Amino acid sequence: RKEVEQDPGPFNVPEGATVAFNCTYSNSASQSFFWYRQDCRKEPKLLMSVYSSGNEDGRFTAQLNRASQYISLLIRDSKLSDSATYLCVVANAGGTSYGKLTFGQGTILTVHP
Amino acid sequence: DGGITQSPKYLFRKEGQNVTLSCEQNLNHDAMYWYRQDPGQGLRLIYYSQIVNDFQKGDIAEGYSVSREKKESFPLTVTSAQKNPTAFYLCASSLGQAGWGSPLHFGNGTRLTVT
Repeated sequence: RKEVEQDPGPFNVPEGATVAFNCTYSNSASQSFFWYRQDCRKEPKLLMSVYSSGNEDGRFTAQLNRASQYISLLIRDSKLSDSATYLCVVANAGGTSYGKLTFGQGTILTVHP
Repeated sequence: DGGITQSPKYLFRKEGQNVTLSCEQNLNHDAMYWYRQDPGQGLRLIYYSQIVNDFQKGDIAEGYSVSREKKESFPLTVTSAQKNPTAFYLCASSLGQAGWGSPLHFGNGTRLTVT
């Protein structure tokens, strides 16, 4: 089983739709969680951190379910500009002094008119 | 504006040649990282450095070398020993340790093609 797994998609949705991605992780000791956004052939950029109580930033809502070991990202009222690859990132402070940061392979979202 | 600068954006080399990728940051971050991204795969850690004059191997360090002589700079050398060097290389930095939850700031990447 991969340490961090995402449905690679692609998800193709019309403008205005609501879309949700899940990401599962295998290490129950994982402590920090993030969603990054990566546009085609560009660098990843932090979209939002994921907090235990869930958090919202405009049209984006992130949730964490520790019991089932997954995080989710919900995008409401999708825009054309939301088209990108969404990377799930899980941080584990154990092991080396650096800890360990594990990236999912990404979920591709395409929003069409 | 603070940020991370990688150069060049595109790099072409012949097999058997060493090549050095540049990474400079002015964010005053202590920690810096090199990742490799291949199609359909998550980012994989090559090397990381928590402080000047110190660096550690990541998950796929074979065939790569780094130096951290200055806080701002963390160059990566792809040697001829790296069997599949063609990839998208991303440099990143963080204020604290990424494993403890400090977000990464990425450079815009170097796309290396070796033929």
